[in-house]
Amino acid sequence: DIQLTQSPSSLSASVGDTVTITCQASHDISHFLSWYQQKPGKPPKLLIYDASNLEIGVPSRFSASGSGTLFSFTISGLQPEDVATFYCQQYAHLPPWTFGQGTKLEIK
Amino acid sequence: QVQLVQSGAEVKKPGSSVKVSCKASEDTFNRFAISWVRQAPGQGLEWMGVIIPGSGTPTYTQKFQGRITISADESARTAYMEVSRLTPEDTAVFFCVRDRSGLFDYWGQGTLVTVSS
Repeated sequence: DIQLTQSPSSLSASVGDTVTITCQASHDISHFLSWYQQKPGKPPKLLIYDASNLEIGVPSRFSASGSGTLFSFTISGLQPEDVATFYCQQYAHLPPWTFGQGTKLEIK
Repeated sequence: QVQLVQSGAEVKKPGSSVKVSCKASEDTFNRFAISWVRQAPGQGLEWMGVIIPGSGTPTYTQKFQGRITISADESARTAYMEVSRLTPEDTAVFFCVRDRSGLFDYWGQGTLVTVSS
């Protein structure tokens, strides 16, 4: 199975800051990586697919890049409503699909 | 707008089974796969398995192989996931998701299953 290692596991930042989360895959997954945002008590929401494509309706302050085994996700100009846990997920080749362990984002 | 509506919360005894349903709102049901994802309390997301309605053959992750059954009723636009031999460690929220070759674009609201004696 392909393992995804996310870092950091948690972070705290101020409104307006730029924050970055990384996701490292145990094998080459090309661009088959997505990012999800999960707020407490809610299902996850797809933000980014194919490593860098913004899902329709997602604010442009969210962005992502990477390919192969190393990926990053960035929020530029953090907003209070961005408090959530973020997950990367790979969908290369065949199942099983796997998730990173999550990054919990808080506002200072 | 695709909606996936799941069945309500369940409380089960250890050793019993639970079957969770997931009804799709529109007729794209047969064009996409449905996956199931588990989230234990305070924990991360874990993919369990997938079915393509119409193909009939589910795929399970090895961890749950032999203990879960995923099925689909095309006429009812509903997918099901049954977990047997429940233990307290199975207490979790289970999500159904529309699966576009591994990309999860629509999620059900989640079903909390509590396993307690």
